[in-house]
Amino acid sequence: QTVVTQEPSLSVSPGGTVTLTCGLDSGSVSTSHHPNWYQQTPGQSPRTLIYSTHVRSSGVPDRFSGSILGNKAALTITGAQADDESDYYCVLYMNFGWVFGGGTRLTVL
Amino acid sequence: QITLNESGPTLVKPTQTLTLTCTFSGFSLSSSGVGVGWIRQPPGKALEWLALIYWDNDKRYSPSLKSRLTITKDTPKNQVVLTMTDMDPVDTATYYCAHRKGTAMGQFDFWGQGTLVTVSS
Repeated sequence: QTVVTQEPSLSVSPGGTVTLTCGLDSGSVSTSHHPNWYQQTPGQSPRTLIYSTHVRSSGVPDRFSGSILGNKAALTITGAQADDESDYYCVLYMNFGWVFGGGTRLTVL
Repeated sequence: QITLNESGPTLVKPTQTLTLTCTFSGFSLSSSGVGVGWIRQPPGKALEWLALIYWDNDKRYSPSLKSRLTITKDTPKNQVVLTMTDMDPVDTATYYCAHRKGTAMGQFDFWGQGTLVTVSS
């Protein structure tokens, strides 16, 4: 059973920078996992922010960026805004398909 | 404009089989590189990928649910059907279908609004 790990919750001040991470319980995340990042607000369907590690989806502001940091995938939000307060999910590609992480609830305060 | 819409029962009894249909527009499942996947989300919990079917009929399943899932496509009708057998209350969730652009390097770029399925006797 593949487990993808994320911080359950994080907070950031308006205008601040925060990094969310996405790891594997056994092993390292690499670009071959093609990490995707999704944003979900309550009652809404998820929206793609980042795919293939660092590619911003259409219409996504450049304050969102994706990378590999050490042995994890990372989503960095620079200049956080109030409407960035959401749940964020990473998903990793495996040889059988995809595995979502448990999500990070981001609070902007 | 790509849209997807999930349909199916809102309530199923334990041990029953769930059949969900994803009806889509704005793309064809005969186009190279295109897929449609199913993802679910129990109330207040995380997303979970279930299954995906590609344009070439390649099918992928979550290993933990593979024995219970079947995904099929009807290309002329623009539909993808997911069946899940032996439903249990823990399968209560919102079930989403999503358009997959690209294979490993791609993204689930368009999602349906989701349909809530409750499993209860």
